[in-house]
Amino acid sequence: QKEVEQNSGPLSVPEGAIASLNCTYSDRGSQSFFWYRQYSGKSPELIMSIYSNGDKEDGRFTAQLNKASQYVSLLIRDSQPSDSATYLCAVLSNFGNEKLTFGTGTRLTIIP
Amino acid sequence: DTAVSQTPKYLVTQMGNDKSIKCEQNLGHDTMYWYKQDSKKFLKIMFSYNNKELIINETVPNRFSPKSPDKAHLNLHINSLELGDSAVYFCASTLGQGWYTEAFFGQGTRLTVV
Repeated sequence: QKEVEQNSGPLSVPEGAIASLNCTYSDRGSQSFFWYRQYSGKSPELIMSIYSNGDKEDGRFTAQLNKASQYVSLLIRDSQPSDSATYLCAVLSNFGNEKLTFGTGTRLTIIP
Repeated sequence: DTAVSQTPKYLVTQMGNDKSIKCEQNLGHDTMYWYKQDSKKFLKIMFSYNNKELIINETVPNRFSPKSPDKAHLNLHINSLELGDSAVYFCASTLGQGWYTEAFFGQGTRLTVV
């Protein structure tokens, strides 16, 4: 079992719709969770971080965390063509000797 | 000023050669990482250093040798390059002092072994 798993995609969503990206993790001791966006040929950039159970909203992005289910998700509302990218879920574990582990990524395409 | 910078951006070399990639961060972070990203976009952790000390070594062949002369620098030396080493290598850094820390990435080094 991979440490961090994402819905493999690719995922295609019409412009203006909601894109839903999912991630599960295996280490129950993980405490910090991140979503990164990566455009082709570029480095990953952070778009959301979440540390406690529940929802966290930032503009059109909402991250959801459920530690009991070891599940993290990202919702993108009013999807725009510029949201087309690969989305990477990342989990930080091992307090003190930190390890940032990434999921396999989900390729998202917004269809105009 | 670039927060995390890697050199070179592109590297094309023949099998069997030895090459190095350099990384520097000016964020004052304690922890630095090397990741390998394959053609399927999977970012696999290779090494991490905390304050110049090796913390994580993820079953990477010993042809790969990281070196951290100080906490702002983490270099990667690769001996006897193989075709399968072709990938994009990313350096990243985190604050390293607790849970609430995001990673900043360098621009990546695209290594092609021919």
